[in-house]
Amino acid sequence: QKEVEQDPGPLSVPEGAIVSLNCTYSNSAFQYFMWYRQYSRKGPELLMYTYSSGNKEDGRFTAQVDKSSKYISLFIRDSQPSDSATYLCAMGVFTGGGNKLTFGTGTQLKVEL
Amino acid sequence: DAGVTQSPTHLIKTRGQQVTLRCSPKSGHDTVSWYQQALGQGPQFIFQYYEEEERQRGNFPDRFSGHQFPNYSSELNVNALLLGDSALYLCASSSGRNTEAFFGQGTRLTVV
Repeated sequence: QKEVEQDPGPLSVPEGAIVSLNCTYSNSAFQYFMWYRQYSRKGPELLMYTYSSGNKEDGRFTAQVDKSSKYISLFIRDSQPSDSATYLCAMGVFTGGGNKLTFGTGTQLKVEL
Repeated sequence: DAGVTQSPTHLIKTRGQQVTLRCSPKSGHDTVSWYQQALGQGPQFIFQYYEEEERQRGNFPDRFSGHQFPNYSSELNVNALLLGDSALYLCASSSGRNTEAFFGQGTRLTVV
């Protein structure tokens, strides 16, 4: 079993829709959580970072963490064609000796006009 | 403010050869991590450098080695290349104990 599970999609939605992207994890030691957006053949771009259960909002994006269920989500409101990309969840453990990230496989999102 | 820069952007090598990839971290960052991303997969952690030493390592063979220079830039070396080493190699930088990691555009390595 992978430490981080993410549905690869593809997920296709109409412009303006609310998008929900999800990851589950098995390692209860994970303490901080990130969402990255990756356009085709480009490097990942950090969208959201959080380390506590609950919601964190930034513009059209909301990151949600439920540590008791080992489940994280990213919501995108008023989705735009420019949001079409692969979304990667990543998580790690606070240590004094490094900050290795464990990634999901990524969900491919297409927002259609 | 320059972000994380990687060179080269693309590279084609023959099986058995050696390759060196380079990374300059974001201004103000002193920690560099390397990841391998196969097509359709998430990035996999290779190793991390801080204060010119390897601080943490993922599940990669010794053919993968690295170095960090006093100016915090880093190199990833891969020896005896295999076809399976074909991937996007990503460099991420962060600052000390700060866990937010920022990625470069990657180097796409093709082994033929």
